Amino acid sequence: KNQVEQSPQSLIILEGKNCTLQCNYTVSPFSNLRWYKQDTGRGPVSLTIMTFSENTKSNGRYTATLDADTKQSSLHITASQLSDSASYICVVWTAAGNKLTFGGGTRVLVKP
Amino acid sequence: IAGITQAPTSQILAAGRRMTLRCTQDMRHNAMYWYRQDLGLGLRLIHYSNTAGTTGKGEVPDGYSVSRANTDDFPLTLASAVPSQTSVYFCASSDSNRLNEQFFGPGTRLTVL
Repeated sequence: KNQVEQSPQSLIILEGKNCTLQCNYTVSPFSNLRWYKQDTGRGPVSLTIMTFSENTKSNGRYTATLDADTKQSSLHITASQLSDSASYICVVWTAAGNKLTFGGGTRVLVKP
Repeated sequence: IAGITQAPTSQILAAGRRMTLRCTQDMRHNAMYWYRQDLGLGLRLIHYSNTAGTTGKGEVPDGYSVSRANTDDFPLTLASAVPSQTSVYFCASSDSNRLNEQFFGPGTRLTVL
């Protein structure tokens, strides 16, 4: 069964600190992996997308990594800001059936 | 309007009542989707439409129906709401050539009592 597991479920960090979110998947065949940011009361917004051949991709203070061999991805937030408080969702796409599988998300709270 | 809009923003509904959630996009995307999001669970696909005039069932279609009369609108109907349908509902759309890049609406928070 295709699954996407994220950890931790939630975390609290102080403003200015770094944090790393994890995503493990069993989706096969793998096409690409996308990280979404979802602010409270809003829809998810894409942060970054990674294909099989990409190991690292950055979007400002967000850096995603992908290890397709171990089927793991991480999202690193550098120098966190209050506006980073949100849920971060890992989503894996398989072209077999054109299907997206969503992780349950990690809720991040940045405190001043 | 720009992107995807959903209405209403939130709704409290008595069990057994009929309810239609509205979704409109102005990006001329062929594909549209309805998801529900429940605490601790990932977004789950209810129904989808690859193009106007066609619809398909997703992972959790029971109790819901959709129609796609034109490119822009994709309403979701609960014929007889039940408390287990309390959730946040998101509409999304994507271009046919980039199905994996979905753009989401702001969501509708539905409470069924």
